[in-house]
Amino acid sequence: AQTVTQSQPEMSVQEAETVTLSCTYDTSESDYYLFWYKQPPSRQMILVIRQEAYKQQNATENRFSVNFQKAAKSFSLKISDSQLGDAAMYFCAYRSGFYGGATNKLIFGTGTLLAVQP
Amino acid sequence: GAGVSQSPRYKVAKRGQDVALRCDPISGHVSLFWYQQALGQGPEFLTYFQNEAQLDKSGLPSDRFFAERPEGSVSTLKIQRTQQEDSAVYLCASSQDGMNTEAFFGQGTRLTVV
Repeated sequence: AQTVTQSQPEMSVQEAETVTLSCTYDTSESDYYLFWYKQPPSRQMILVIRQEAYKQQNATENRFSVNFQKAAKSFSLKISDSQLGDAAMYFCAYRSGFYGGATNKLIFGTGTLLAVQP
Repeated sequence: GAGVSQSPRYKVAKRGQDVALRCDPISGHVSLFWYQQALGQGPEFLTYFQNEAQLDKSGLPSDRFFAERPEGSVSTLKIQRTQQEDSAVYLCASSQDGMNTEAFFGQGTRLTVV
């Protein structure tokens, strides 16, 4: 079974600084997707960034980028130029690349609560 | 609608009561997922629909939990004889085809069993 581990329950960053959130995962599959989701107090999960395992290039979305280390099964999120609106719970998630049924489900880590200090 | 809509936003139930939680996915989305998020935890998969077919219900914690999507659009998650351990946020997500397309989440229903 696949597992996702986030070892940082809480992190804090100064506004305009850079912060990195850690995530490791375990799988025997070769084809999969990795995601970072943001969950503000409104509870709605918002997709921040996704990475296909077959792509060697790290994904980037504006101020958000990942460091994907496939051999080490590590998938960290870097937030540059942190803004007050980035404060939220961040979840790392895994999804199998095989089509059909339960394999489309997301497997989440336990989350990291990010505080942004003005 | 513009996004995934869930109702009610909050539900307080007395232990032993039955509850029904509604999810209205994005129009045209084939795949629909239910997740349970306990306090301080990440969401955990409950069940998955492709149109009206429930293809996976392996995450449902007991036979008190039942989900349906009879016409392939709106889905209802029903919990019978609620217990305190059922207290959680229940999230619904939909996606266009469930494979390579993004899953969009609703704001969830916070269920508190007293």
